[in-house]
Order: sequence, then C-alpha cells, then structure tokens
Amino acid sequence: QKEVEQNSGPLSVPEGAIASLNCTYSDRGSQSFFWYRQYSGKSPELIMFIYSNGDKEDGRFTAQLNKASQYVSLLIRDSQPSDSATYLCAVTYGNKLVFGAGTILRVKS
Amino acid sequence: DAGVTQSPTHLIKTRGQQVTLRCSPKSGHDTVSWYQQALGQGPQFIFQYYEEEERQRGNFPDRFSGHQFPNYSSELNVNALLLGDSALYLCASSLDATGSYGYTFGSGTRLTVV
Repeated sequence: QKEVEQNSGPLSVPEGAIASLNCTYSDRGSQSFFWYRQYSGKSPELIMFIYSNGDKEDGRFTAQLNKASQYVSLLIRDSQPSDSATYLCAVTYGNKLVFGAGTILRVKS
Repeated sequence: DAGVTQSPTHLIKTRGQQVTLRCSPKSGHDTVSWYQQALGQGPQFIFQYYEEEERQRGNFPDRFSGHQFPNYSSELNVNALLLGDSALYLCASSLDATGSYGYTFGSGTRLTVV
C-alpha cells in the first residue's frame, strides 16, 4: 500500500508568519512530489513540484525534499489570510498520483 | 487557453442508477486521470487513460469504467450506484502519462447518491 501521510491540522498561524507543512511517503522509488492547494468546495490547484533533494523556491513558497528521510515539506512565508486552505501533498507512484489527506491551514489576521 | 473542463457540475442520482461524467483535457494534454474525493479526504486515484486505453487503475471495483476518445476527452461511468459513491469526482490532465510536469485538475463533478 503506497501511502502519503500528512498531519490533518488545523495549523493556525498569524498573518505574516511562516507556515510549515509536512508530508512523509512510503515508497523510496517515488520520483515526483507535488503540493496542491484546495479551497473549500473547489478543485486542487498546483502550487509547487519538486524532483531533486534540496529546496525549490517560488515566490513566497519553498518546497523541501529529503529522499533519504522520505520527507517533503512546504514553507509559506509572509502568510496571508488568503492562504487559508487545505494543502495536499501528492507523490507519483508509477503513473498515478497518490495524495495525502491534506493539512488545513488557517491564517489569522 | 481553456483548462480542464468537466460536466456536469452537480448531479443527484438514486441508488442503483448509472451515471456518466465527462472531461475535456487542457489543450496540449493527452493523458486523463480520474479521482474520487470524499469529504475530508484527499483525492483517490480511479484510473488513467492514455492513447484511448486504460493504463493504470486504482482500487476501485469494476462498476467504475471509463473511456477516452480520439480527441483526448474522457468519460467516467459508474454503474449500480451506492450511497458511498457520493463524492467529488475530479478529472486531471497531464502532458504525458508520467505526470512529471504536474496534473491540471478540472473543477469537478459533485455526485450525490440518494
């Protein structure tokens, strides 16, 4: 059973703070890792993808991958109330994308 | 540039009925995957279509079937609906079957089985 684990939250951070979202996965053979944002009642929206160990930055978002520890994280700097959503970690296993259950993020103004 | 389009947006069906959901992929994408998302859970992979063939399948019963047309659009069919089939059904398209560049999701079809 290929699994992706996330803390369901909610994770509450004040506006302007750094939000740190974490994810672990079970299959060492996984090659591609994604973070999606999903607002209530909406479909997932791709924020970041990462393939190599280390950090990848895009604006206020930084994805971090550690394949040895089978761990991927997402940092959101200068968090805004509009960042409040469910963040889904997804990992490719072969040709399918396996999602975690998501972490609810709440940014308080 | 149109993204992934799904129809219908909402659907209410009675237990035991059959339903067909439709998806048009993003322009330039030739691979379509279908996902089921129950409330409070992450999307669960149903199957993937590429070159009009089912390439990979998740842990869903045979009641779930699909099709891909020459224009890359796709249908998801569910027979003998159960109450537990109530969920958001998401279609995702990608540039290739590996999804290395990510998957673009449609807005989904909300299916309610009563």
